[in-house]
Amino acid sequence: GENVEQHPSTLSVQEGDSAVIKCTYSDSASNYFPWYKQELGKRPQLIIDIRSNVGEKKDQRIAVTLNKTAKHFSLHITETQPEDSAVYFCAASRRGSQGNLIFGKGTKLSVKP
Amino acid sequence: DAGVIQSPRHEVTEMGQEVTLRCKPISGHNSLFWYRQTMMRGLELLIYFNNNVPIDDSGMPEDRFSAKMPNASFSTLKIQPSEPRDSAVYFCASSLRQGIGNTQYFGPGTRLTVL
Repeated sequence: GENVEQHPSTLSVQEGDSAVIKCTYSDSASNYFPWYKQELGKRPQLIIDIRSNVGEKKDQRIAVTLNKTAKHFSLHITETQPEDSAVYFCAASRRGSQGNLIFGKGTKLSVKP
Repeated sequence: DAGVIQSPRHEVTEMGQEVTLRCKPISGHNSLFWYRQTMMRGLELLIYFNNNVPIDDSGMPEDRFSAKMPNASFSTLKIQPSEPRDSAVYFCASSLRQGIGNTQYFGPGTRLTVL
């Protein structure tokens, strides 16, 4: 089955710097890759996603890139702000899996003012 | 829409007691997922339903755990008997299954503490 590895597990940056979180997946049939943000004590919420027919997607300060050959995808946050501090989860979904997402272990991002 | 609704938000119980967690998915969504989140194991999928039918329950840890979805607007996750190692946050999520990439919307979670 699918396995998703996420790195790093913790990341600390200064406000204004960029943050990059990387994930690898094992199932070449996976075709949907969402990213979720979970603030302390809150629920995971979708912030951006990418499908296998696209190599990059951007939404204001966040962007996601996908390399299907290498089976990895990354989340990029530019001009980080303290409110970006949270745990970020990547996930992968396989074609025909009926929507089942396999999540990475999460990255705790801390943005220091 | 009110989003995914879960109850109770917090549950404290003693070992051996039965615990029932409840979930109301977003109206119109046809897939429902139950997750467990702990510091040690992260976010684990326990079971998911499509059109009220359980599709994959391989994540259910033991026979003490059971889940039902009697109709499109309600699901329960039951633990009987509960044990201290079941303490975790349990999330329910729902999605509308259509094509590639079905966004899952999470409920607020139920924080379960088993003493």
